[in-house]
Amino acid sequence: GQQLNQSPQSMFIQEGEDVSMNCTSSSIFNTWLWYKQDPGEGPVLLIALYKAGELTSNGRLTAQFGITRKDSFLNISASIPSDVGIYFCAGRPGANYGGSQGNLIFGKGTKLSVKP
Amino acid sequence: DAGVIQSPRHEVTEMGQEVTLRCKPISGHNSLFWYRQTMMRGLELLIYFNNNVPIDDSGMPEDRFSAKMPNASFSTLKIQPSEPRDSAVYFCASSFVQGYEQYFGPGTRLTVT
Repeated sequence: GQQLNQSPQSMFIQEGEDVSMNCTSSSIFNTWLWYKQDPGEGPVLLIALYKAGELTSNGRLTAQFGITRKDSFLNISASIPSDVGIYFCAGRPGANYGGSQGNLIFGKGTKLSVKP
Repeated sequence: DAGVIQSPRHEVTEMGQEVTLRCKPISGHNSLFWYRQTMMRGLELLIYFNNNVPIDDSGMPEDRFSAKMPNASFSTLKIQPSEPRDSAVYFCASSFVQGYEQYFGPGTRLTVT
């Protein structure tokens, strides 16, 4: 089935650092969503993107819908300890996707941890 | 406004037993999704409903799994009989419009011994 490549798989942050992660696909997506999951909880929606080139911020978080419609980026500025967790990208494939149009495809996640 | 509600939060059962997971979507949302999350496979879509009708159940692993949505405010995911490999966290999510922003519940952690 359709796959999203999310990178990096994991990263360590020091408080105050900026963080970047991305998701890529081999085919076009019409919607990109970014979620954060804390231990023992469900994913929480952070940002939703609906148009190619769209740049949207939510506090210290900024996400972009790539111009090619095959990728998306999430940046976190001036990280703080509560930013640790797993970040997931999710996308809604374009019309030529063989599967159901209602589905979101999820990346495997980027795990953010605090530098020891 | 209440988010997606799932029960129970934790379930421990023995192999062969029937397990029923419950979900109440956000009021006004007309699409409901059941996911399974494991370390190995990540988040997998099992089935989703639109206006209480199952649209795509291709992710349901076997006939042991079944899901129902008798009305707009309630859905169940049933596993009968359960097996140890069914151990995972099961999430329910809902959205106002099919294919757009999905909001997740807190999940049910299932352990089958």
